[in-house]
Amino acid sequence: RKEVEQDPGPFNVPEGATVAFNCTYSNSASQSFFWYRQDCRKEPKLLMSVYSSGNEDGRFTAQLNRASQYISLLIRDSKLSDSATYLCVVNFILTGGGNKLTFGTGTQLKVEL
Amino acid sequence: SQTIHQWPATLVQPVGSPLSLECTVEGTSNPNLYWYRQAAGRGLQLLFYSVGIGQISSEVPQNLSASRPQDRQFILSSKKLLLSDSGFYLCAWSPPGQGGFPLHFGNGTRLTVT
Repeated sequence: RKEVEQDPGPFNVPEGATVAFNCTYSNSASQSFFWYRQDCRKEPKLLMSVYSSGNEDGRFTAQLNRASQYISLLIRDSKLSDSATYLCVVNFILTGGGNKLTFGTGTQLKVEL
Repeated sequence: SQTIHQWPATLVQPVGSPLSLECTVEGTSNPNLYWYRQAAGRGLQLLFYSVGIGQISSEVPQNLSASRPQDRQFILSSKKLLLSDSGFYLCAWSPPGQGGFPLHFGNGTRLTVT
């Protein structure tokens, strides 16, 4: 089983649609959770952290279910500029410091006119 | 503000040739530093991380090595490249100490081994 699993997509949605991505992780000792966005042939960039109580940042809502080891990202009112690959990221602290972020392979989103 | 520089942006190297990728961070002290690789169609794989000068930890056995000769400099090297070393190499940093977030990536180096 992969440490972090995501549906690779692609998700093709019309502009204005609501789309949801799911992610599961295998390491129950994982401590922190994030969503990163990666544009084609670019470096990943932090989209948002994911908190246990759920959190929202504008059109983006992230949720975490530790019992089910499940993370989600909801995008409302999709824009063309939201087209990208969304990476689910799970972190635990390494012995001696530093963080090991384990990345999913990403879910590709294409927003169309 | 902090910035991370990684070079070169693209590189084409023959099998068996050496490799040196360099990464520097500005605007912070004692950052945690990382090298990741993203192969085509695959997720990011952590190769090395460093929490201080001369402190390198390897996550996976491979044909590569890393060094941190200065606080904000991280170098990825190979003596002899393999075809399987092709990929997108990303340097990243995070604030010092345990739990330092978030991870910030450099622009990446796209390596093609021919």
